[in-house]
Formats: sequence, C-alpha cells, structure tokens
Amino acid sequence: KNEVEQSPQNLTAQEGEFITINCSYSVGISALHWLQQHPGGGIVSLFMLSSGKKKHGRLIATINIQEKHSSLHITASHPRDSAVYICAAGGSQGNLIFGKGTKLSVKP
Amino acid sequence: DGGITQSPKYLFRKEGQNVTLSCEQNLNHDAMYWYRQDPGQGLRLIYYSQIVNDFQKGDIAEGYSVSREKKESFPLTVTSAQKNPTAFYLCASSMDTQRGAFFGQGTRLTVV
Repeated sequence: KNEVEQSPQNLTAQEGEFITINCSYSVGISALHWLQQHPGGGIVSLFMLSSGKKKHGRLIATINIQEKHSSLHITASHPRDSAVYICAAGGSQGNLIFGKGTKLSVKP
Repeated sequence: DGGITQSPKYLFRKEGQNVTLSCEQNLNHDAMYWYRQDPGQGLRLIYYSQIVNDFQKGDIAEGYSVSREKKESFPLTVTSAQKNPTAFYLCASSMDTQRGAFFGQGTRLTVV
C-alpha cells in the first residue's frame, strides 16, 4: 500500500464545475503539500498546510490531521486548470513522499 | 528573480555513459533534493542534502551520485550502474521543513 494515496487518478470536468481531489496518507507528516504539474513537467507548489484550510483564488485546500486526509477543491473550473495535481506528505527531513497524481482535464 | 534552474531540459545519452544533471538555486536554501518520476508513478527521492558537504541517500539512490560543494549547487550524476536511467528528474529546494519547497523545471533523460 502506498504511503500517500490520491483519488481519483483521472478526472474530466466541464468548465465551471466544482472539483474535488482527495488525498490520504499513512505516515507522520510535518506538512501536507499540494502541487501542480503541467505537461512540460515543471512543478509548482500550490499549498503547504499542517492544519485547517487554506484558500488561494479559486483553489481551496483542507486537511484533517486526525483522519490523515486532505482535499483540494477547485471552484468554477477552467480549461487552464488542466494539469496533474499531486499530493505530497512532508517528512521530518524536509523530503516529500508523493502520491501518483490526479490528471485533471477541464473541457470548455 | 530567485528560483531553481535545471539544465538541460532534455538530455540524450548512450547506454554505459555517465551523465551529470545540473541543479542551481539562488534562493539561499539550505536543503536540496533530487527526485525521479516514471510514468504512472509518484516522484521518488534519490538523494537529499540539508547542508553543504553533506548528503543522504533517498529511497532509490543506487546507480546515482551527488555532491554539494556549494550551497547553490547540487548536481546529480547518473552512472552506468543505474539499470533504468531513462526518466524525468526533478530538483527541489527548501529553507526548512516548515516552509514550502521550490521545484526546478526538470530534466528529461533518455538513454539509448
């Protein structure tokens, strides 16, 4: 069993839809990261959170430490949101344990 | 602008040759990391360094070597001992475990 599990693996949505990507982890963490990877491969850090909820524009990330679960929400999705979204558990050495990613495709 | 630079973006090498991937950061970060990404798999940690002149093996260090002679630089050498070197390699850095990580744009290595 992977230490960081994401669901779904693939997600197709219509523009404007509300999107949720889930992440469960089985390891102790210093923080939980949400990352975005575009087709070229470069990765951008979206959120780092250790409790509660964070919001940036149309993106919202939540975490439940007791349940070891985090969600990434995208409101009013747009085709430019199409990317792979990756959940990663932050270890004590600063290294990250990555989920396999969720490939999101938003259709116009 | 501060950031992490990986070069080159695409690299082709013949089987049996060693190849070195560059990673440079001007963020004054102490910690640097190398990850490998294969299709359908999450990124996996190869090596990391928390301070100059010190580095630690990650989960898949076999067939790789690194050095950290300067704070800004953390080159990764893919040696001929690495059985499946073709992959996407990503470098990252962070100030400490309480802050977010910054990522380079990656190097896609193809060994033929």
